[in-house]
Amino acid sequence: GAVVSQHPSWVICKSGTSVKIECRSLDFQATTMFWYRQFPKQSLMLMATSNEGSKATYEQGVEKDKFLINHASLTLSTLTVTSAHPEDSSFYICSARDLTGALPREQYFGPGTRLTVT
Amino acid sequence: RKEVEQDPGPFNVPEGATVAFNCTYSNSASQSFFWYRQDCRKEPKLLMSVYSSGNEDGRFTAQLNRASQYISLLIRDSKLSDSATYLCVVNSGAGSYQLTFGKGTKLSVIP
Repeated sequence: GAVVSQHPSWVICKSGTSVKIECRSLDFQATTMFWYRQFPKQSLMLMATSNEGSKATYEQGVEKDKFLINHASLTLSTLTVTSAHPEDSSFYICSARDLTGALPREQYFGPGTRLTVT
Repeated sequence: RKEVEQDPGPFNVPEGATVAFNCTYSNSASQSFFWYRQDCRKEPKLLMSVYSSGNEDGRFTAQLNRASQYISLLIRDSKLSDSATYLCVVNSGAGSYQLTFGKGTKLSVIP
C-alpha cells in the first residue's frame, strides 16, 4: 500500500520552543493531508485538514496560530507546534489520501510523532 | 451523544475464540465506514472497509446496519497477533473525506 512517512518519530523539547513535524507521501501525490492528535487512551482527534497550495482548515477548538500548517507541495505537509507547553505533549499523526489509487476513500497514516514537552 | 461509540473493552479472550465488537455512529449522513487496527504506540492501520452488504476478509467479518447506524466486526479463531485496539471509523458526512474515530476497543488474545 501507499506509504506515508513522518519525521521526527519522537521529540522532546523544552516549554516555549517550537517543533516542526513533517509528513510526506512517498509514492503518491496528496492534495489533502490530515493532522490528528491522540492523547493516551483517547481516540484520534482531527486537528486540521491541510490543502496543497491553500490555507489549512482547522477544527473547532484548535488554535491556528499555535499549530501552523504548511502544505507547499503535493508530497509534503508540515505542522509546527509553536511555543509548545506540556499540555501539547501528545501523539501527532498525519494521513494522506491517494487520489489516483483504486480506493480514493482510503487514508494512509504516517507512523506518528510522539511529542514530549518538558 | 458521542459521534462514534464503541464497546469500552478490554476484551480478554483465549486463542481460537470468536469475538465481536460493536459500534454506533450518530451522523446519519456518513457514507464510508471502516475498521482500523492500532497497536500500542503505533499509527492506525486499515483493517477493512465496511460495505452495506457486509463483507468478509479471512477471519474477519464486518456488518453495517444503516437504519440502526450500527457497525460490527467479528473475529473468528483469534490469534495472539490479533491483540490490538480496534477502531471504528466513519467519514464525517456525505462526500466528506474527514474521518471520525471511535475511542477503540482493546483486545487481548491470551495463550
